[in-house]
This record gives sequence, structure tokens and C-alpha cells, in this order.
Amino acid sequence: AIQLTQSPSSLSASVGDRVTITCRASQGISSALAWYQQRPGKAPKLLIYGASSLESGVPSRFSGIGSGTDFTLTISSLQPEDFVTYYCQQSNSFPLTFGGGTNVEIK
Amino acid sequence: EVQLVESGGGLVQPGGSLRLSCTASGFTFSTYAMTWVRQAPGKGLQWVSVMSGGGSIYYADSVMGRFTVSRDNSKNTLYLQMNSLRAEDTAVYYCAKYRRFGERYFDYWGQGILVTVSA
Repeated sequence: AIQLTQSPSSLSASVGDRVTITCRASQGISSALAWYQQRPGKAPKLLIYGASSLESGVPSRFSGIGSGTDFTLTISSLQPEDFVTYYCQQSNSFPLTFGGGTNVEIK
Repeated sequence: EVQLVESGGGLVQPGGSLRLSCTASGFTFSTYAMTWVRQAPGKGLQWVSVMSGGGSIYYADSVMGRFTVSRDNSKNTLYLQMNSLRAEDTAVYYCAKYRRFGERYFDYWGQGILVTVSA
């Protein structure tokens, strides 16, 4: 199975900061990667698919880039509602797998 | 409006069985692959199983041979039959739909249903 390693597992930042989360795949997955946001007690929400395509309705402050084994999610200017948890997910092959998550906390 | 509603969760003893249902509305259910994803308390997301509209099925290794996914397109419902349940199966189970045909990304999710495996 393809393993996804997210880093950092948690980070502290302030409103307005630019933050970057990294997801590294154990083998090449082309651009078959998605990013999700999850609020406590809620279902995940799709933010980015195909490594860099913004899902409809998602604010443009979210962006993704990468291919092969290394991917990043960037939030250009953190808003109060962005202090939650983010996951990457590979869609290249079964079993589908998720990264361990990154918790974005308020500094 | 797309809606996915899970049901059938609850408390079950180790070794027991449970069947989850996911009732869909707001889209042509039969044409979309549907998946189950779970999340143990305080932990990350774990993909469990998928079933395409045409019947192709895949499972995570951790549930292979114990869980069975199925669907009834006439009832717009996805099922997950869980047998030989273990404590480590305790989780919130979500159903979700593929974003588009062939795209293994999940654009709509249910609210989740808690399954607790405990004596």
C-alpha cells in the first residue's frame, strides 16, 4: 500500500499567516492526490483534487501543488475558520490511503 | 441537493455483526462509485471499501474477509456488512461518493455513524 506522510503533524499560526503543509508518498502517484479539511465532529470536506485543482466553492486562498511523491497544500492567509485539521489522500491505486493529518492551531 | 445519511451503527460485542446503511439522494446513485471511510476516536481517516456503480469492489486489508460492501441501486442505498468485529473497528463510519466517474476523490460525505465494539 502507498503510504502518505504528512508534515508537520501540527502547527501553530496566526490569522493572516501563510502556511504550508506537506504530503510525501512512499512511491510516485503522478498527480493523484487530494486534500481535505475536517472540522471537529464533522465529515471531511474536499478542498483540492488532482493535486492542484480547487474544488468548487472552496476559497482561493487554498492551493495545492506537486506531482510524483511530493505535494503541498498552501493557505495563503489564514482565516479564523481555517484552524482545523487537514488530510491528504492518494487516489492512484487501491487501497486508497490518507495521510496522518495536520492540525492547524491558533498561536 | 446531494445528501448521504448513514444508519445502523451502535454498540456490539467483539465477534458480533452489524450492518450499516447509507441512503443517498440528490444525484443519480447508480452511476457513482460509493465508498466507506472510518475514523477511530481521536485518530485519522482510514479508507475501508468502495463499490462502483457497475459492481467493482475493493477493500482495505484490515477488513478483507470480514466486511462486505453492497448496494441496492433501486433503493439508492449502500451497505456495509461488518462481521467478526474487533475493538479496533470502533470508529465513526462515513459513506462518501466519488466526485466523478474514475476520480477516486470524495466530494460529498454523510454525517457519520458511530460503531462501538466493546464487551
